[in-house]
Formats: sequence, structure tokens, C-alpha cells
Amino acid sequence: QVQLQESGPGLVKPSGTLSLTCSVSGGSLSSGNWWSWVRQSPGQGLEWIGEMHHSGGSVYNPSLESRVTISVDKSRNQFSLRLRSVTAADTAVYYCARDRAAGTDDPFDIWGQGTMVIVSS
Amino acid sequence: DIQMTQSPSSLSASVGDRVTITCRASQDVRNDLAWFQQKPGNGPKRLIYTASRLQSGVPSRFSGSQSGTEFTLTISSLQPEDFATYFCLQNYHYPWTFGQGTKVEIK
Repeated sequence: QVQLQESGPGLVKPSGTLSLTCSVSGGSLSSGNWWSWVRQSPGQGLEWIGEMHHSGGSVYNPSLESRVTISVDKSRNQFSLRLRSVTAADTAVYYCARDRAAGTDDPFDIWGQGTMVIVSS
Repeated sequence: DIQMTQSPSSLSASVGDRVTITCRASQDVRNDLAWFQQKPGNGPKRLIYTASRLQSGVPSRFSGSQSGTEFTLTISSLQPEDFATYFCLQNYHYPWTFGQGTKVEIK
């Protein structure tokens, strides 16, 4: 059973960089799936940030693309999120999730528990 | 971006009630629509994908349907464990977009 676990600092200073890692257990990051980051601001809806494939492909939400990088560490079976130049508007619960594999219709079947990140000085 | 308009934003219902939640897409998303349940402090749990396919292990009282760009999640007989927030996701066209969520509360 694949499980995902987010980790990283819970507090980031304004104008700094938010860095989170998602650890994949019970399965391989190189399974063929895409792997996503999603966030949920307090009292707000969900926003898809972007996703990556172990082969190196990535797709970002245009609303965040200029500030976001998603990368993979296959040796550690982890993928990471970096969000630069953060403001209070980036305060949210951040989730990692497994999206579909190419050619399948099986999206977002597994999610992490989420990690709260507060942007504040 | 494709807008997903979800309604209602909240509802009050009793155990045993039939509950219907709707998501309308601003343009065609084919049948690439999933429904999720979220409880406080937990990550989302997928209930339905490709509009009407029931996730393995999810009770059969949950069902999904589609009429054009309007998608419906139905809970046929609400159970105490179903009080939660529900939201939809379209994964047909980037960027993937979510509905705003429906909070189902106890009447």
C-alpha cells in the first residue's frame, strides 16, 4: 500500500523560500505515475500547484509557475516542492498526491496527510 | 482555466437522508471528474473517478453521474461517518481545478 508523507518547515519568512518534501513508501516513485502538490489556504478551496514525472517532465499551474520548482530524488524515493518569494497568501496546508499514470484514468488516488506552512516574520 | 462551480457550499441533513452535490464545469471536461471526501485534519479521500467509477472500498451508497458538463455526487442514505466536506476535481485540462467544496453538516 503506497503511502505519502509531507515534511518540511512549518514557518517561513516573507520573501523566503518554502521547501517541502514528499516521501513515498510502499511503492516506487518510478512507477509511471505523475506526482502532484496541492495546497489549501485556511478557509479556502484547493489549488493544484503542479506535478512531475520521474522521467523529468513537469507541469505547473500558470498562476504559480514563475515561483515553483518540483523535483525528484529517485534514490530517496522522494519528490520536493520549492516555492520562492513567499507572502502571507502562501500560508496553507500543503498536500502531496499521486496522480494518474500515463494512459490511465486513475487520478489522485493517494494523498498525504498534509503539512501546514505559515508565512510570517 | 476551467472553472468548477460546486453547489451547495454547505447543507444540513439527517442520517438516512439522500444528499446530492453538483459540480458544473465551465467547459467540456469529458468524464475526467473525480469526487473526494475530506474530514478535518486528514488528507482527501477519493470516492469516485471518471465521473462514475466507485473507488475500491468506498460504500455503494456513494455514486457519481454526469450530464454534459454537470456532475453529481449522490449519497443515497447519509450515515454518521459521512459528515464531512466534499469536493470535485477536473483533470481533463491543465491546470487541474477543484470545486470550492460542500460541507455536509448534521441537521
